[in-house]
Amino acid sequence: KQEVTQIPAALSVPEGENLVLNCSFTDSAIYNLQWFRQDPGKGLTSLLLIQSSQREQTSGRLNASLDKSSGRSTLYIAASQPGDSATYLCAVHLFNTDKLIFGTGTRLQVFP
Amino acid sequence: GAGVSQSPRYKVAKRGQDVALRCDPISGHVSLFWYQQALGQGPEFLTYFQNEAQLDKSGLPSDRFFAERPEGSVSTLKIQRTQQEDSAVYLCASSYGTSNTEAFFGQGTRLTVV
Repeated sequence: KQEVTQIPAALSVPEGENLVLNCSFTDSAIYNLQWFRQDPGKGLTSLLLIQSSQREQTSGRLNASLDKSSGRSTLYIAASQPGDSATYLCAVHLFNTDKLIFGTGTRLQVFP
Repeated sequence: GAGVSQSPRYKVAKRGQDVALRCDPISGHVSLFWYQQALGQGPEFLTYFQNEAQLDKSGLPSDRFFAERPEGSVSTLKIQRTQQEDSAVYLCASSYGTSNTEAFFGQGTRLTVV
């Protein structure tokens, strides 16, 4: 059974710091991995999608990497801002199924 | 519409009441998913539609949960005889293709059973 783990569970940092959020998964048979952001009381906003054949994806200050063989992905946030405060979720799309399996998320707080 | 739309945003139901949650996916999206998110947890898969066909309902927790997408567009998740453990946020997502494409989520419906 695929399990997705995110470390740390919570993170509080001053504005301007570069951050690394970690996601690990137990089964490497995946189509892709997707990173989401969730603000309190809101739905999920897609940040980055990495296909299983790719190593990384970048969008603005965000960079996500994927090492499928070791079952790991990292989300790098450069020059963090208070507006980045949210919960970040990673999810893997299982091969030969249609479902996303989510981690429990990293709750990030960036203070001024 | 521009994004996935869910209604109502909030629903309070008395235990034993039936509820219906609506999802309006992005126009033209083939795939539609329902997820359940308990407080402090990641979303958990409930069911999946490809057009009007329900291809996977393995995540539905009991036979009180029923989902449909009769015309391959709008979907309804129905919960009969609600219980307190059904309290959660119910998220709907859609994607253009199948399997390998990016999923877009709605704002969710927060269900509270009292």
